[in-house]
Amino acid sequence: EPEVTQTPSHQVTQMGQEVILRCVPISNHLYFYWYRQILGQKVEFLVSFYNNEISEKSEIFDDQFSVERPDGSNFTLKIRSTKLEDSAMYFCASSPLLTGGAGKLFFGSGTQLSVL
Amino acid sequence: GDSVTQMEGPVTLSEEAFLTINCTYTATGYPSLFWYVQYPGEGLQLLLKATKADDKGSNKGFEATYRKETTSFHLEKGSVQVSDSAVYFCALSDPGGNQFYFGTGTSLTVIP
Repeated sequence: EPEVTQTPSHQVTQMGQEVILRCVPISNHLYFYWYRQILGQKVEFLVSFYNNEISEKSEIFDDQFSVERPDGSNFTLKIRSTKLEDSAMYFCASSPLLTGGAGKLFFGSGTQLSVL
Repeated sequence: GDSVTQMEGPVTLSEEAFLTINCTYTATGYPSLFWYVQYPGEGLQLLLKATKADDKGSNKGFEATYRKETTSFHLEKGSVQVSDSAVYFCALSDPGGNQFYFGTGTSLTVIP
């Protein structure tokens, strides 16, 4: 079965450094997402991406965050200057259809980001 | 705004015990409701879903019924197995939007 692939599985960085989290969505999917989960808290929506542009973003997704689909297969999340509170598990997801209603999201296994 | 509240964990059960994980939601419209499961080292996988009131989602022996009157979508299984040990997430999707709202997740451990 096709799956969403995320790399790396763990990332440790110093506060203030830039990090790029990488995802390879399922090849025929059109909608791409990033979610995160801070330890012990809810899985939170960050951003959705369609047709090479952001379609929705949450309040969390401020100017420090950006997403890109640099080629036909990768989907990246960049944090420009990491803060301690960015430490979380980051999940990439993709979907062939809009999720509104009953669409299904396919998730990667996540990247655990630790900011020291 | 839309949100989901689910039962705090962790939950530890003996094999063949009955499982209930509570989930309630708040939504302005008529959301679709989901349970996702995350096995150790893997991503979130869709377990079951229900798209309208009184619908029952079921899969792998798990069931959940969309109860609009109590705004609930509790997950149940009559006899759990060790292989059911995982983290379970309740979620909703607003038809007017393009995102999911998740609960905090409930960790289940089933012991032989």
